[in-house]
Amino acid sequence: QSALTQPRSVSGSPGQSVTISCTGTSNDIGDYNYVSWYQQHPGKAPKVIIYDVNKRPSGVPDRFSGSKSGNTASLTISGLQAEDEADYYCCSYHFWSSYEASYFVFGIGTKVTVL
Amino acid sequence: QMTLKESGPALVKPTQTLTLTCTFSGFSLSTSGVGVGWIRQPPGKALEWLTLIYWDDDKRYNPSLRSRLTIIKDTSKNQVFLTMMNMDPVDTATYYCAHFWRGMTPIHNYFDYWGQGTLVTVSS
Repeated sequence: QSALTQPRSVSGSPGQSVTISCTGTSNDIGDYNYVSWYQQHPGKAPKVIIYDVNKRPSGVPDRFSGSKSGNTASLTISGLQAEDEADYYCCSYHFWSSYEASYFVFGIGTKVTVL
Repeated sequence: QMTLKESGPALVKPTQTLTLTCTFSGFSLSTSGVGVGWIRQPPGKALEWLTLIYWDDDKRYNPSLRSRLTIIKDTSKNQVFLTMMNMDPVDTATYYCAHFWRGMTPIHNYFDYWGQGTLVTVSS
């Protein structure tokens, strides 16, 4: 099982926008819209901020948005705020030989730094 | 309000079998579209998806760890159990259980509620 590829780190100043990419294959991101994104602050459990590629759960600020093109999904944080400094992980459904053998895979994680 | 909590040994010896319990409230694992999964995170490293059990007892496993993992549920007690055999120091990690929403129509597939995690150290 190979983790989805993400940049190790991205940074931006308050108010700016940053985008995190998440690259998979045609067996996961490319063929399925089951991409979710998780925010994790140090010492805390992850929190879902995007599901189904571009849907936001209730309570998640609309400055978080998701998209997908081909085998790559993206998370954009617009109007960066200090509290957005955290680790971000993508996750996707992965089809492998049969429905029963399918599984889920996380990305390697991206640290977002607010300058 | 959905809550989940992991419990189990904080320390296990190499080659031993780890058993963790996820005790949850605020939902039932007999509800269609619901699942509970396990995810782990070694210190300073990335999340790793381990396994998932659905309301209908269907199960999914990380293929890299499939031979070592077992997941079962006790719906009446609102608990899910993870067993991992032949533990090794590289298995040292915080283990999370999480509520998984698959839905029915439409299908979704994401973890929406997480436990606080439990740190398991593998050392002799």
